[in-house]
Amino acid sequence: GAVVSQHPSWVICKSGTSVKIECRSLDFQATTMFWYRQFPKKSLMLMATSNEGSKATYEQGVEKDKFLINHASLTLSTLTVTSAHPEDSSFYICSARDRAGQYFGPGTRLTVT
Amino acid sequence: QQQVKQSPQSLIVQKGGISIINCAYENTAFDYFPWYQQFPGKGPALLIAIRPDVSEKKEGRFTISFNKSAKQFSLHIMDSQPGDSATYFCAASRDTGGFKTIFGAGTRLFVKA
Repeated sequence: GAVVSQHPSWVICKSGTSVKIECRSLDFQATTMFWYRQFPKKSLMLMATSNEGSKATYEQGVEKDKFLINHASLTLSTLTVTSAHPEDSSFYICSARDRAGQYFGPGTRLTVT
Repeated sequence: QQQVKQSPQSLIVQKGGISIINCAYENTAFDYFPWYQQFPGKGPALLIAIRPDVSEKKEGRFTISFNKSAKQFSLHIMDSQPGDSATYFCAASRDTGGFKTIFGAGTRLFVKA
């Protein structure tokens, strides 16, 4: 149980385009979903927290207009990187929490050329 | 108050040995302490977690020791195997009150065959 899926697993896009990443909790309903960014050999950096049906809460320094989060249901959250630039290239990981714990997706490797 | 300090940064252990990773927290409001295992290019996977009402939890070769008064907890990997080579993150959170999960900086474990 407690499986979180993420799609796509990797994506390459051109500078200036937008990219959408989907995160789904497959076998449980998540009270809260999180989006993290991870740089090589570093810990996870929380970008935003979202609850179903409400606006996401962004961490300090994270541009909400650039990283759009839509939490459509208790099992689906999407992150859209708008007007992507090479510095947005990173490993993006979603996470979903229920009463039992917090579980992570497999991550999405974004490369902006 | 919100930090979780993890050590060591990296660890090399012989096959069959015991791997020990330590974490310390500051906020006594935390009531959930998970450990995550992350392989390169993958999302973190929940390994084992403990709550402060117990001092030890064991699952297979993995044991968490928890010292509430010292605000410290550690992960012990018994009979370490090359397949255990990964990055391990400790974390601390609280189920209620909108607490975010705070992650340690991570420990890169390498188990020599």
